[in-house]
Amino acid sequence: TQLLEQSPQFLSIQEGENLTVYCNSSSVFSSLQWYRQEPGEGPVLLVTVVTGGEVKKLKRLTFQFGDARKDSSLHITAAQPGDTGLYLCARGALRGGSSNTGKLIFGQGTTLQVKP
Amino acid sequence: DAGVTQSPTHLIKTRGQQVTLRCSPKSGHDTVSWYQQALGQGPQFIFQYYEEEERQRGNFPDRFSGHQFPNYSSELNVNALLLGDSALYLCASSPTGIKRETQYFGPGTRLLVL
Repeated sequence: TQLLEQSPQFLSIQEGENLTVYCNSSSVFSSLQWYRQEPGEGPVLLVTVVTGGEVKKLKRLTFQFGDARKDSSLHITAAQPGDTGLYLCARGALRGGSSNTGKLIFGQGTTLQVKP
Repeated sequence: DAGVTQSPTHLIKTRGQQVTLRCSPKSGHDTVSWYQQALGQGPQFIFQYYEEEERQRGNFPDRFSGHQFPNYSSELNVNALLLGDSALYLCASSPTGIKRETQYFGPGTRLLVL
């Protein structure tokens, strides 16, 4: 299966707290993307991780790709109300080893609420 | 540089009706993908168009069809609407080649079927 499982599904925290969101798969994937979606908007790409063990930082957001390329995490430091939204991980669906087809498979998302 | 645009933003239909949603891709992008997103869920891939042909399709019935025009814009058509078709319909565009998985999403069309 190519399913992506995200946890937790819901997270409600106070401003200033730290949090981690996880994205797991039973399959190895070549790359993984993280998106953030606000109500009434489409998903916005935050980062793409490609190499096993890779760590990328985007201000207070830290993204990590597992060594085995089956899992990824998103850590937010000192969360702010503006971080509120739906966080989605997604992977491409490779077809027979050829170049990526462009079809994205998404996890079910983590809804984050940061209270002021 | 305009991003991906979609119209209409909201739509209300009744069961059995037909609907057409429209998408204009980001400038320079020639591939358009459509996704259905139920409330609180991740988007589900419907199909993808490139060079005016459907290139890939997800697990959606034939009631869902599409079209891509020479200017790369695209339409999603849904016939015989069901209550379960109520969702946010997202269009995403991407360039040709290895960066095709880097997709830019529009704001979506919220469809409510009564």
